[in-house]
Amino acid sequence: DADVTQTPRNRITKTGKRIMLECSQTKGHDRMYWYRQDPGLGLRLIYYSFDVKDINKGEISDGYSVSRQAQAKFSLSLESAIPNQTALYFCATSTGGGEGAQYFGPGTRLLVL
Amino acid sequence: AQKVTQAQTEISVVEKEDVTLDCVYETRDTTYYLFWYKQPPSGELVFLIRRNSFDEQNEISGRYSWNFQKSTSSFNFTITASQVVDSAVYFCALLTRGGGADGLTFGKGTHLIIQP
Repeated sequence: DADVTQTPRNRITKTGKRIMLECSQTKGHDRMYWYRQDPGLGLRLIYYSFDVKDINKGEISDGYSVSRQAQAKFSLSLESAIPNQTALYFCATSTGGGEGAQYFGPGTRLLVL
Repeated sequence: AQKVTQAQTEISVVEKEDVTLDCVYETRDTTYYLFWYKQPPSGELVFLIRRNSFDEQNEISGRYSWNFQKSTSSFNFTITASQVVDSAVYFCALLTRGGGADGLTFGKGTHLIIQP
C-alpha cells in the first residue's frame, strides 16, 4: 500500500460548492503539507502542520482551510470553490525537524466549473 | 524571500545523450536544503535527492549526478546516457528555516523529453 494516500483522485465540482480533499499517511511522520500545482507555475504551499495542534498558513492559503484530525490525517477544504482553484493538489509528509525529504501523495485533480 | 529559478522550460534530446538541468536558488539563510523531484507523465512526485548547505560534495547515483556550487547558488542535475524513461518534468526545490514557512519553494520545472 502507498505510504501517502489522497482521496478522491479526481473531482469535478461546481462554483460555490464546498469540497474536501483528504490525505492519510502511514509513514509515521509528524509534518504534513498541502500544495497546489498549476501548469507552468510549479508547486505552491497552501498550508502545513507540525502536529495535530499546530496549523500554519503557507503562501496561498486564501480560500482554503485545513483540519488535522490525527497525526496521520490532514484534510484540505475549499469552502466555496471557484474556477481558479482548478489545479492538481498534493499532500506531502516529512519527518520531525522538517529537514528531511518531503514525500508526496499521488495528487488530486480538481476541476471547478 | 526564497526563490528557485529553472530557466530551461523544456529540453529535448535524443536517447543516450547527456543532459544537464539547471537550478539557481536565492536565499539569505546560511542553513538550507536543496531537493530534486521527478514528475513522470503519470503525475506523481518522486524524490530524487536532498542536499544541505554545508555539504558541497557532488553526488552520483547511477546515471544521475548533482553539482552543488554555493559560489554560484546553483544545484544542477545531470543525466548521463539518457533513456526514454527519463522523460518527465523535473523540479528543483529549496527549504530554509528563516522564512517562517516550513514548506518547499519550488522552481517552475523543466520538461525533459527524451526521444528514441
